[in-house]
Amino acid sequence: SQQGEEDPQALSIQEGENATMNCSYKTSINNLQWYRQNSGRGLVHLILIRSNEREKHSGRLRVTLDTSKKSSSLLITASRAADTASYFCATDETYGNTPLVFGKGTRLSVIA
Amino acid sequence: DAGVTQSPTHLIKTRGQHVTLRCSPISGHKSVSWYQQVLGQGPQFIFQYYEKEERGRGNFPDRFSARQFPNYSSELNVNALLLGDSALYLCASSLVTRELGEQFFGPGTRLTVL
Repeated sequence: SQQGEEDPQALSIQEGENATMNCSYKTSINNLQWYRQNSGRGLVHLILIRSNEREKHSGRLRVTLDTSKKSSSLLITASRAADTASYFCATDETYGNTPLVFGKGTRLSVIA
Repeated sequence: DAGVTQSPTHLIKTRGQHVTLRCSPISGHKSVSWYQQVLGQGPQFIFQYYEKEERGRGNFPDRFSARQFPNYSSELNVNALLLGDSALYLCASSLVTRELGEQFFGPGTRLTVL
């Protein structure tokens, strides 16, 4: 089963604009991670935020985590055509027996 | 350093056949996990192995099995293939099992069952 739900399912923006994707989850977590996937190939790790952190930055990426609402957001600033990909949130559940539980993903299209 | 490698890249099988997928983790990584990704969905956890022992299993039928070898490489086996087994199979490696931090994914094996 999949815990996370990304919102929106698809997003289309112009190059230079910011892209925001949201993720909701259901259970207690150790950390939440965001991954990117290009054209149905392997996933690339973007950023990890631990349950006791509220915000984290990495280059053009900004992730927030609200454990009270069980939600996270990924902001990509000044988007580029190369950012076109599917983005997944994945949770490391505190009491789960799986390494990561993924959401269904957001398909981002950045138009040049 | 080489990343996670998987073989084969693509595979076409017919219903009822058996398939073996292979994964080599990053050097020094002792944990290997397998995920199934159906088109349009996120990856779903199948198995995790650490130090050659199964450490976790997802909600998949017994037709799915896996093992890890002394060199930490891994095989995923699927028997009696069904059309619904068509998917991208991803392998991920990491240093340890829980509170892993980052998992490193391979490029995947695209399995098509006809």
